[in-house]
Amino acid sequence: AQKVTQAQTEISVVEKEDVTLDCVYETRDTTYYLFWYKQPPSGELVFLIRRNSFDEQNEISGRYSWNFQKSTSSFNFTITASQVVDSAVYFCALSFSGNTGKLIFGQGTTLQVKP
Amino acid sequence: DAGVTQSPTHLIKTRGQQVTLRCSPKSGHDTVSWYQQALGQGPQFIFQYYEEEERQRGNFPDRFSGHQFPNYSSELNVNALLLGDSALYLCASSLKGQPQHFGDGTRLSIL
Repeated sequence: AQKVTQAQTEISVVEKEDVTLDCVYETRDTTYYLFWYKQPPSGELVFLIRRNSFDEQNEISGRYSWNFQKSTSSFNFTITASQVVDSAVYFCALSFSGNTGKLIFGQGTTLQVKP
Repeated sequence: DAGVTQSPTHLIKTRGQQVTLRCSPKSGHDTVSWYQQALGQGPQFIFQYYEEEERQRGNFPDRFSGHQFPNYSSELNVNALLLGDSALYLCASSLKGQPQHFGDGTRLSIL
């Protein structure tokens, strides 16, 4: 089965707190790609990051960081010093055809950052 | 540089009707994918078009069909609408090797 699970439905934090969004995936393929997208109230999905299955290096981009662990099939996303503008729904997704193929999304995690 | 544009923004239909949704890809992109996002759920892949042909299809009935035009724009058609077809329909465009860019979606309500 190919599946993405985001067990956290909703998370609420106070501004400047750090927050980690969990993502667990299932696949038997050895080549796959993992993504995180942000969906603000406007509805548009905004691409945040892509990792391929052969690259387990963690990545940091400003206040955002991602921890990819194949041993636990997880691809977690941490926001450091959260801000109100980070409030959105965040989706983890899985693909087998690079950037352009079918994306399998998780259920999403709604993050609310309170001032 | 215009991103992915979708029309209309909102649409209300009744059961049994047919609907056509439209998508213009981001400039330079040649591949268009359609997703259905029910309220509170993640997007589900409907199908993908490249070179005016359907290349991949998700688990959706034949009531869902599409088309891609020579200018890479695309249409999603849904026939015999059901209440369960109420959702946000997202279009994504891409170019080989690049991430998919999404539009703001069309919110379809079935009465």
